[in-house]
Amino acid sequence: DTAVSQTPKYLVTQMGNDKSIKCEQNLGHDTMYWYKQDSKKFLKIMFSYNNKELIINETVPNRFSPKSPDKAHLNLHINSLELGDSAVYFCASSRQGAEQYFGPGTRLTVT
Amino acid sequence: GQNIDQPTEMTATEGAIVQINCTYQTSGFNGLFWYQQHAGEAPTFLSYNVLDGLEEKGRFSSFLSRSKGYSYLLLKELQMKDSASYLCAVRDQAGTALIFGKGTTLSVSS
Repeated sequence: DTAVSQTPKYLVTQMGNDKSIKCEQNLGHDTMYWYKQDSKKFLKIMFSYNNKELIINETVPNRFSPKSPDKAHLNLHINSLELGDSAVYFCASSRQGAEQYFGPGTRLTVT
Repeated sequence: GQNIDQPTEMTATEGAIVQINCTYQTSGFNGLFWYQQHAGEAPTFLSYNVLDGLEEKGRFSSFLSRSKGYSYLLLKELQMKDSASYLCAVRDQAGTALIFGKGTTLSVSS
């Protein structure tokens, strides 16, 4: 049984396109996150979200927007993709205050 | 500001013990986590410390000193499968997101 799942696993697209990455968790967690891991393997928080509050890392461009249709899903929309957006994007979830469980990652390549 | 430091790389041999250090300077502290990440895979949770002292979990132990802003992860009886990146992360003041260090790549040889 998959705990945190993401689709697609790989995404190759051209500059200027708009794309979405989907994330679902079946753990009943109340908080979900998006992280970006760059080519140097540095993992950085982009957003954290529960059904009450969205916290945005101030360094994230507003071309990135999270959308949560319900507690089990947190999708990531990216507009006007740029070369520098190429990275692995990880979704994660947790109960309030507990350890986070990560999805398998989506490798985004912008050409 | 937020700063979490770990060694970039470490090497060890099978059966040995290795200690991976992490120092942190963050604007808030609400717990310290260690994650393991194999190449091409997701990070997986190893341990959590919020109070000073040692937490033991099988071959893995983690130590925290909040006054010194210091933690270490101790891996005993190393196995080849322990070759991975080890990520130190501090939970921020709001108690939600994790602030990660750049990770320590551990190579275990026979």
